[in-house]
This record gives sequence, C-alpha cells and structure tokens, in this order.
Amino acid sequence: GAVVSQHPSRVICKSGTSVKIECRSLDFQATTMFWYRQFPKQSLMLMATSNEGSKATYEQGVEKDKFLINHASLTLSTLTVTSAHPEDSSFYICSATLNYGYTFGSGTRLTVV
Amino acid sequence: DAKTTQPPSMDCAEGRAANLPCNHSTISGNEYVYWYRQIHSQGPQYIIHGLKNNETNEMASLIITEDRKSSTLILPHATLRDTAVYYCIVRSHTGTASKLTFGTGTRLQVTL
Repeated sequence: GAVVSQHPSRVICKSGTSVKIECRSLDFQATTMFWYRQFPKQSLMLMATSNEGSKATYEQGVEKDKFLINHASLTLSTLTVTSAHPEDSSFYICSATLNYGYTFGSGTRLTVV
Repeated sequence: DAKTTQPPSMDCAEGRAANLPCNHSTISGNEYVYWYRQIHSQGPQYIIHGLKNNETNEMASLIITEDRKSSTLILPHATLRDTAVYYCIVRSHTGTASKLTFGTGTRLQVTL
C-alpha cells in the first residue's frame, strides 16, 4: 500500500531559528501533497496544498512567508517553519493522495523554546 | 465538500461492537463517505469508504442509509488499541485531488 514517510518525528528548536520537515511518498508518485497542523485536543487544520513543480496554495490565515513549502519532485515535499516562535509549537502532518485515497505521514512534533 | 456531524465522544467495552454515527445530510450524489482514525500523536489512518452500498473490510463495516444522509462505522469487536479519534469525511472523486477537511470527530474510548 501507499506509504508516506515524514521526518523528523520530533524536533526542538530555539526561538528565531528555522526548521525543515520532510514528507516523502515511498512507493508512489504524489503530484499533490497536503500539510496540516494540529494543536493539542484539536482537529487537523489544513495549512496548504503542495503541488509538484508549482507554488503551494495556502489556506486563509496561513502566512506563506513563514511556512515555506517546496515540492521539487514527485516524491518529496518540504515544509520549512521560518523564524519559529513558541506559538508555532504544534503537531505537523503531511498527506499525499493516490487514486483518491489519502495517506498520512506519522507527524512531526515541533517544540519551539 | 459536505459537512459532517459526529458526537464528540463515545465509550465502548472491549470485545463489544462500537457503532460510530455520522450525519451528512447535505451530501451530494457524487460524494463518498470516508472514515479515518487518529491514535494519539500519530497521523490519521484510513479505515474505509463508500458511496451508497454498505462496505466491509478487515477493519470495519460502513453502513450508509438509503438516503445517504447518515452513516455508521462499526468496529465489530473493539479492543483497547481502537481507542482513537474517528473522523467521518465526505468528498467527491471528481476533478483533481481535492483537500480533505477534518471536522472535530468522535473520541472513542474503549475500556476493559
């Protein structure tokens, strides 16, 4: 079945630094990937749609200059949280589609101190 | 995509069937019903989906009412490992890949 690998699973960074999260489709090509953010005891909130070879589409209220998305190949999308602040601490999850199904990564727990 | 309504929480005794309802009264004719679950601190996991017929796989059964305005996910023999948040989502299969919008889901607690 379709597998999406997300790395790292946990990261702690200092306030003001940048963090990159990788999302890879291991056994299929994903022209579209999605990035979600989830705060404690809340549902997943879609941040952006990542399209291979083109600019990402951001949801309303998500700062595109703060959350940089790059989808340079059919198997890799990256999310970079720039100039991270403690309020960016959250659980970030990526997803890729295959034949109308959605496969999710295992998530990245980001803690900004 | 159509919105869904689910109870915020449910309890189920281990070994019993867990029946999780979902209301999607505004579903369109081309929209499928999907169920995912999220175990604590993990990414969501696909469970099952259907259009109008009842569906069954190794994880669960999906019962969709004839008018398609509601559905029920059935875990026939719940175990402690089924404790999770269950999300019911409706979306169409037309067009290019569309985003999956999560509601608040049902937090299922399976107890001894």
